[in-house]
Amino acid sequence: DAGITQSPRHKVTETGTPVTLRCHQTENHRYMYWYRQDPGHGLRLIHYSYGVKDTDKGEVSDGYSVSRSKTEDFLLTLESATSSQTSVYFCAIRKGEETQYFGPGTRLLVL
Amino acid sequence: AQSVTQPDIHITVSEGASLELRCNYSYGATPYLFWYVQSPGQGLQLLLKYFSGDTLVQGIKGFEAEFKRSQSSFNLRKPSVHWSDAAEYFCAVGPMNTGFQKLVFGTGTRLLVSP
Repeated sequence: DAGITQSPRHKVTETGTPVTLRCHQTENHRYMYWYRQDPGHGLRLIHYSYGVKDTDKGEVSDGYSVSRSKTEDFLLTLESATSSQTSVYFCAIRKGEETQYFGPGTRLLVL
Repeated sequence: AQSVTQPDIHITVSEGASLELRCNYSYGATPYLFWYVQSPGQGLQLLLKYFSGDTLVQGIKGFEAEFKRSQSSFNLRKPSVHWSDAAEYFCAVGPMNTGFQKLVFGTGTRLLVSP
């Protein structure tokens, strides 16, 4: 158990609405990550954080923003959801030797 | 281009048979290497990792992987597959040019286990 929770676990929303996904960790790790998982693509990095208020873009960051105002929480926001953002979203933390551990995922459907 | 390749989308293995899942990477310097497993509807669980040293690494659930520098490969193996091993398996690399901070994933191999 990596001490990561994600909320909500499932969400259905409509095109054009804002959506925020939350990742919470209990162990005070510095690095946190957001990925999306789509068939045929594996997992792709959206954004990551290397400390409070320190974030950077990943491979597929367009249409997403993140915030980290405290160590334990890393928020992913879709400012105006589109159908192409229907996906499963995973949060991860990095601990130990450069190793990432993953949360249970959030399944998002954009209609 | 830098990439991680898992050439097999699906593999079917009989229960009790041996398993090998392939992973190749294309990076200038040897990256950190990982295998993760994902059961249906679940998150990813780390099976094993390689950073340096002995090129044969042991993981959880009876899995092992061998790093071959000359082939840029990190193949996952198990001598005897159990029905509970049916899942999707992802190879991932942490490239040196990102300070090993990021992971790049392969597209995954889905393992089916037949009775």
